Amino acid sequence: EAGVAQSPRYKIIEKRQSVAFWCNPISGHATLYWYQQILGQGPKLLIQFQNNGVVDDSQLPKDRFSAERLKGVDSTLKIQPAKLEDSAVYLCASSLESGPPLHFGNGTRLTVT
Amino acid sequence: EDQVTQSPEALRLQEGESSSLNCSYTVSGLRGLFWYRQDPGKGPEFLFTLYSAGEEKEKERLKATLTKKESFLHITAPKPEDSATYLCAVPMIKAAGNKLTFGGGTRVLVKP
Repeated sequence: EAGVAQSPRYKIIEKRQSVAFWCNPISGHATLYWYQQILGQGPKLLIQFQNNGVVDDSQLPKDRFSAERLKGVDSTLKIQPAKLEDSAVYLCASSLESGPPLHFGNGTRLTVT
Repeated sequence: EDQVTQSPEALRLQEGESSSLNCSYTVSGLRGLFWYRQDPGKGPEFLFTLYSAGEEKEKERLKATLTKKESFLHITAPKPEDSATYLCAVPMIKAAGNKLTFGGGTRVLVKP
């Protein structure tokens, strides 16, 4: 079974620039999650999709972050404009519709300079 | 407020020196507690799910246990390859979609 795929693995941008991350979940997993993990901390949920719809985006900074999951499969997370405090690893995870456990990709490490 | 707290933040062990990690939670109506292992540069890897007090799960040198207020991850006779960050997570049933909330993790270093 192929795992959760994410790209790119690393990204370095300057503040106020924009960036996008891509995620392809495990086949058949209806639920997709984006987590932000700051160095030395546990992952924090940004947004959760169930098929095409958003279940929870209460911790997504909507003035600069956006996410979409077209056709209920892969997903894109965008940051525009980026701030220094957005430097983190962005993890994508997926699960069956019934819920956890979540299966994670290896993340995208974003550095904002 | 529902919370998940892990201790200690870091643990340095000699190879073969057994120890335990703690995950305490304050959430009503527990719907599972999840343990993950995370290696540097990788995403968290699922280890165990525990659902009820008294339940235990084992995998190689790891054993997870659950009480009504906390969970322990016991590492027996650890080897250097057990070095990783161990994360626990709990679904927050008051949140939409039973949001899975993680603790801050325990960084374990096992020296040969």
